Amino acid sequence: NAGVTQTPKFHILKIGQSMTLQCTQDMNHNYMYWYRQDPGMGLKLIYYSVGAGITDKGEVPNGYNVSRSTTEDFPLRLELAAPSQTSVYFCASRQYEAFFGQGTRLTVV
Amino acid sequence: GDSVTQMEGPVTLSEEAFLTINCTYTATGYPSLFWYVQYPGEGLQLLLKATKADDKGSNKGFEATYRKETTSFHLEKGSVQVSDSAVYFCALIYNQGGKLIFGQGTELSVKP
Repeated sequence: NAGVTQTPKFHILKIGQSMTLQCTQDMNHNYMYWYRQDPGMGLKLIYYSVGAGITDKGEVPNGYNVSRSTTEDFPLRLELAAPSQTSVYFCASRQYEAFFGQGTRLTVV
Repeated sequence: GDSVTQMEGPVTLSEEAFLTINCTYTATGYPSLFWYVQYPGEGLQLLLKATKADDKGSNKGFEATYRKETTSFHLEKGSVQVSDSAVYFCALIYNQGGKLIFGQGTELSVKP
């Protein structure tokens, strides 16, 4: 099993551009999450999903959107990127304990 | 509401020292408790878990006991190594529902 796979691993985005961070899991987990981690800081929940077709906001949803059309995929969309969105983004899935992807390091310049 | 609070870091220890990282929680129900570890440049990995009161989780020499009376889940290791240098996160998860709540993380640095 691959577990939780995030792409890309690194990306540089210009201010005002949009992009989608991909997250796929092959464990048939119902729950999926997107977190951001700023340097030296903990995890902040952006969005989460309890199953296909169901998503909900976390602590810091502004500037982001998600969709969950399948159990496996939970993409995170950044619209009109801003420097404040420079961060490392982690996707996680769980049925019981959570499994994390390796992260996407995003820089907005 | 539910929350997890960890001791402030960074924690700096010499090799072979005893480690304690404090974690306390507030819960409205009966969650499972977890410790995750994040090595530099990587995602979080599960270190150990406990599913009910008085359970002890253990892995790689680390231990933590689910204490309902003190709402705590402190992480301990008898003799740390340089390779244990990482950030440690305490987490609370409900089996039913989507709640997955992390503490703020505690950075551990072990010097030779």
